Amino acid sequence: DIQMTQSPSSLSASVGDSVTITCRASQNIIRYLNWYQQKPGKAPSLLIYAASNLHGGVPSSFIGSGSGTDFTLTISSLQPEDFATYYCQQSYSYPISFGQGTRLEVK
Amino acid sequence: EVQLVESGGGLVQPGGSLRLSCAASGFTFSSYWMSWVRQAPGKGLEWVANIKQDGSEKYHVDSVKGRFTISRDNSKNSLYLQMNSLRAEDTAIYYCVRGSLAGSPPRLHYDYWGQGTLVTVSS
Repeated sequence: DIQMTQSPSSLSASVGDSVTITCRASQNIIRYLNWYQQKPGKAPSLLIYAASNLHGGVPSSFIGSGSGTDFTLTISSLQPEDFATYYCQQSYSYPISFGQGTRLEVK
Repeated sequence: EVQLVESGGGLVQPGGSLRLSCAASGFTFSSYWMSWVRQAPGKGLEWVANIKQDGSEKYHVDSVKGRFTISRDNSKNSLYLQMNSLRAEDTAIYYCVRGSLAGSPPRLHYDYWGQGTLVTVSS
């Protein structure tokens, strides 16, 4: 099974900051890596698919990169609505797995 | 507008059964893989099961194999999750999710999510 490890587990930042979240896979997943955002009490929503493709309607301030085992999600110029929990997910092989999540909080 | 509406959650005793349903609208249901993803209270996301467009392929996470079964009825635009032999650790919000392929299966990304239905397993 492929293990997904995100870092950091939590992060404090201010509006206007740029932040980067890292996701590491326990084996090569090529570029089959997706990113989701979840706000309290809401369902997750897709941000990035296949490592770097922006889902429709997602602001260009969200940037995904990486391949193989190491991936990053960068959010440039944080907006108030960006404070949420972020999950990575590999879809390379079964069982599909998610990272443990990164909680982005207001400093 | 894509909509996924789950129903069927509730309180059930350990060892009991529940059947979750998901009503889909706003897209051609029979053209998409569909999935269930769950989230225990205060915890992260866990993939539960995937089903191919025509129902011919089904995949389940090991922790639910033999107890849960994903199915679909394309004539009713509906997805189901039959859950038997429920355990306390199955307590979670269960999300109905649409999967879009970015390659050959299982290379899905989950582009639309329902609001979730809460399953609580407790005596």
